[in-house]
Amino acid sequence: EVQLLESGGGLIQPGGSLRLSCAASGFTFSSYAMSWVRQAPGKGPEWVSGISPTGDNRYYADSVEGRFTISRDNSRNTLFLEINNLRAEDTAVYYCSKERLASGRGNSFDYWGQGTLITVSS
Amino acid sequence: DIQMTQSPSSLSAFVGDRITITCRASQSISNYLNWYQQKPGKAPKVLIYLASNLERGVPSRFSGSGSGTDFTLTISSLQPEDFATYYCQQSYVVPLNFGGGTKVEIK
Repeated sequence: EVQLLESGGGLIQPGGSLRLSCAASGFTFSSYAMSWVRQAPGKGPEWVSGISPTGDNRYYADSVEGRFTISRDNSRNTLFLEINNLRAEDTAVYYCSKERLASGRGNSFDYWGQGTLITVSS
Repeated sequence: DIQMTQSPSSLSAFVGDRITITCRASQSISNYLNWYQQKPGKAPKVLIYLASNLERGVPSRFSGSGSGTDFTLTISSLQPEDFATYYCQQSYVVPLNFGGGTKVEIK
């Protein structure tokens, strides 16, 4: 059974930093692209960042480019998201998601974690 | 960036009704379009990938169609468990944008 378990969220002041983790199990982690998708309260999902199976290719939404860094440790089956200079508009539930394919067009998010909430407030 | 526009933003329907949700892309995305269902407090769940492929385990009353810029999600006979919010998402190019959502409520 595929499982994705996020951790690392919490209440953080504007300008602060956090590191989210996503522990994956039930599939060959190193064979699949992974993404982080966030959802602000009452809003729709927003894709934030994606990473190829080897970690060589990383992609970001414009809204987080330069502040967020995605990475993965295939030896530990874990996905990470380093978040710096947090803003109020970063307040959201952050989901880790497995992509259907290793790479390329036509991917979809076929498994999701339960999400971890980041609240940015002073 | 490719913008995804869904309509309607909400709808009310009876159990047993056939409903259709529309998603329009701001430029052609071929068939690189996915549909998700989300219930309150839960993560989205993929229903349809590549515009018309039913995800394993998803009931056959769900279907998707379209290509280019215009896509539809149809539920042939609405069931009580189908009341939720539905999102389209393009997988043609990053950023992998979602539509604004369609909330399906009980009439």
